[in-house]
Amino acid sequence: GAVVSQHPSWVICKSGTSVKIECRSLDFQATTMFWYRQFPKQSLMLMATSNEGSKATYEQGVEKDKFLINHASLTLSTLTVTSAHPEDSSFYICSARVGAGELFFGEGSRLTVL
Amino acid sequence: DAKTTQPTSMDCAEGRAANLPCNHSTISGNEYVYWYRQIHSQGPQYIIHGLKNNETNEMASLIITEDRKSSTLILPHATLRDTAVYYCIVSQLNYQLIWGAGTKLIIKP
Repeated sequence: GAVVSQHPSWVICKSGTSVKIECRSLDFQATTMFWYRQFPKQSLMLMATSNEGSKATYEQGVEKDKFLINHASLTLSTLTVTSAHPEDSSFYICSARVGAGELFFGEGSRLTVL
Repeated sequence: DAKTTQPTSMDCAEGRAANLPCNHSTISGNEYVYWYRQIHSQGPQYIIHGLKNNETNEMASLIITEDRKSSTLILPHATLRDTAVYYCIVSQLNYQLIWGAGTKLIIKP
């Protein structure tokens, strides 16, 4: 199947700093990528839909100025958590759709804010 | 809110078939049934999807009832590596997926 890669797989940062997570489609072009957040023992929650060459569409309750999404090319979308705080600690996952069916997911990035 | 209902957890013996049920009584005519799984601390993995007909691939089989109000994912010969949370999701093609709580499947040796 198609491969979606995330980097870094885990990151620890100090409160107040910003962290960038990359999501790459390795063997296909993705005009649309999705960013999710997952807290421990909970299901995935969609944060935003990232569209190549245009602004991301954020879900209700997700602060667009805090979670900056850039989708500058057909193979790369980035999520930047700005001024991170401990409550932003979570598992962040990206995905991309191939064709008209399945979504392929990255390995996830675990963020811990101290 | 998720449109599906799944048992919270299930056990299955290694080597046996694992049958995971899913109720989706409010599914509409143009919505597909998708199954994904998530192994601990990893991103979700696509398993299979279908509309009306039963589907089979190298990972699993998907059995959809004639009225489409429920379905069953079958892992024919479960292994320890199949221990994961399995998500049943109904959605139109190319629409976002709404994730429920899923079924925690534990394969026991």
